[in-house]
Amino acid sequence: DADVTQTPRNRITKTGKRIMLECSQTKGHDRMYWYRQDPGLGLRLIYYSFDVKDINKGEISDGYSVSRQAQAKFSLSLESAIPNQTALYFCATSDSRTGLNTEAFFGQGTRLTVV
Amino acid sequence: GENVGLHLPTLSVQEGDNSIINCAYSNSASDYFIWYKQESGKGPQFIIDIRSNMDKRQGQRVTVLLNKTVKHLSLQIAATQPGDSAVYFCAENRSGGSNYKLTFGKGTLLTVNP
Repeated sequence: DADVTQTPRNRITKTGKRIMLECSQTKGHDRMYWYRQDPGLGLRLIYYSFDVKDINKGEISDGYSVSRQAQAKFSLSLESAIPNQTALYFCATSDSRTGLNTEAFFGQGTRLTVV
Repeated sequence: GENVGLHLPTLSVQEGDNSIINCAYSNSASDYFIWYKQESGKGPQFIIDIRSNMDKRQGQRVTVLLNKTVKHLSLQIAATQPGDSAVYFCAENRSGGSNYKLTFGKGTLLTVNP
């Protein structure tokens, strides 16, 4: 399912480098999210956006920033990558038109390694 | 630094048996719950959801039970198949109104033995 596409799928970067993870969706959803997944810790919310003008911090936003360039695009940046940001990152979308309670649809993930 | 090797809860079943995966949630104000399945190398995929005004919902081979009294959610998979092997996450919507965002549990690894 390529409705939510993340690029790159894998990335190795050096400590201190700036890196951007991209997410685009063709589902027409207004809400987009970035999650981080670490072994044994499940998925934790980094940032979320309910529309183009709306950006909100999640539970672990320190060291990250986001940009909602258009309804279909939501990018995550690590301003100065550090090794403990090595993780699997997921973008997700949901549709407010289906009601307040609705499932999120996930991309395939980006595996980021900071060395 | 590196993550400490925290281990997922695991459940191992024989093909054809029924599986029950449990989840405890902490926020009594949560009003919507979802079960996701995550196969290796893939993103989480929606399985089934339930709203807090229900205590049971059935899908194809899956049933979700919600016990609000003890804040417990379970996923039952009937006639488990090798393709059901994956990590299963429960997720809750912790706040009402427009502030919708899902909070995920740590996951349970289900292994189906042929």
